[in-house]
Amino acid sequence: ETGVTQSPTHLIKTRGQQVTLRCSSQSGHNTVSWYQQALGQGPQFIFQYYREEENGRGNFPPRFSGLQFPNYSSELNVNALELDDSALYLCASSPDRVGSPLHFGNGTRLTVT
Amino acid sequence: QQQVKQSPQSLIVQKGGISIINCAYENTAFDYFPWYQQFPGKGPALLIAIRPDVSEKKEGRFTISFNKSAKQFSLHIMDSQPGDSATYFCAASRAGGGNKLTFGTGTQLKVEL
Repeated sequence: ETGVTQSPTHLIKTRGQQVTLRCSSQSGHNTVSWYQQALGQGPQFIFQYYREEENGRGNFPPRFSGLQFPNYSSELNVNALELDDSALYLCASSPDRVGSPLHFGNGTRLTVT
Repeated sequence: QQQVKQSPQSLIVQKGGISIINCAYENTAFDYFPWYQQFPGKGPALLIAIRPDVSEKKEGRFTISFNKSAKQFSLHIMDSQPGDSATYFCAASRAGGGNKLTFGTGTQLKVEL
């Protein structure tokens, strides 16, 4: 059974640029969530996708957007990058949209300079 | 607004000792309380979880104690080992909130020989 995989593992961008992060969910999981983890902090919920539709969103501005594909893989897009966007971005998948434990990938470390 | 408060921020325990990490929550709608373990460079991994219909859950050396009236829950690691050295996060989610987790700020545990 393949776990949650994320790419790339590390990324450096300049303020104002756009970035796309990718996630392959665990086999059999139809729900994907994205979290932002600043250094020394707990993960913060960005949004969740269930069967290709956004199914819940945290307190993040619209420049954070996402997609989920028919194979349940997902992308996180961030436009107009700011220095405060520097963080570890975690993808988590679960077998259903409610009441299911989350299985996290190892994240993408984004640095904005 | 921090809805899940975690303490202590860091903890040093001798090998074989008991590690105790505490969390308090504010939102009485929370009904699922997991603990995650995170090693450097890795994503969080689910350790153990509890729902408020029970006051305690044990899995191996890990025990969650839950006090609904006080809105507090804690993680006990018995016979702590150097391999347990990691950052631990408590979290909570509410019914109808999908799989959105609200995390605490983390406890960095070091188990010394």
